[in-house]
Amino acid sequence: KAGVTQTPRYLIKTRGQQVTLSCSPISGHRSVSWYQQTPGQGLQFLFEYFSETQRNKGNFPGRFSGRQFSNSRSEMNVSTLELGDSALYLCASSRGRGPYGYTFGSGTRLTVV
Amino acid sequence: QKEVEQDPGPLSVPEGAIVSLNCTYSNSAFQYFMWYRQYSRKGPELLMYTYSSGNKEDGRFTAQVDKSSKYISLFIRDSQPSDSATYLCAFSTQGGSEKLVFGKGTKLTVNP
Repeated sequence: KAGVTQTPRYLIKTRGQQVTLSCSPISGHRSVSWYQQTPGQGLQFLFEYFSETQRNKGNFPGRFSGRQFSNSRSEMNVSTLELGDSALYLCASSRGRGPYGYTFGSGTRLTVV
Repeated sequence: QKEVEQDPGPLSVPEGAIVSLNCTYSNSAFQYFMWYRQYSRKGPELLMYTYSSGNKEDGRFTAQVDKSSKYISLFIRDSQPSDSATYLCAFSTQGGSEKLVFGKGTKLTVNP
């Protein structure tokens, strides 16, 4: 069975630009969550979508946004990139019935220069 | 006080050793306790989960939760080189919240 697919795998952007990352969940999974992973802060929750609705949001500035489409695919957008946004961005999908069923993708490595 | 504390290591052990990984937490609302394993250049994968105090065993892995002390542990018996990875504790509250709160991870190397 196909896993969670994140594209692109690697990305280099310039400070001030914006970026869009994509996540295709496992078939049948309606919940998609996004996390930022950095060496200093570890894994931090960005937001979670279920059936196209944002159900939960972490403590990140408004430059970070996301959306989910009717086929459960999700995108996250970061505008006005800062050097500190360099991180591994991980997407996880689940059926949305509790915290145990998450499957993570391999992530998108974003480097801001 | 940080919500979750986890010793980052690194931890290096010989093959066959018993490994003990630990996390402490301060949020009394945490009701679900998980351990994830993350290999280099991969996303985390769920190893074990529990919602009650006590021990839960799965093969070579044992998860231990002490809610009164706000302390969780993961024990790996007969460690193998393939266990070399970063181990992350994770927590969630009740109420259907899908937000996971992670420790920063402990990097483990098992030497043949």
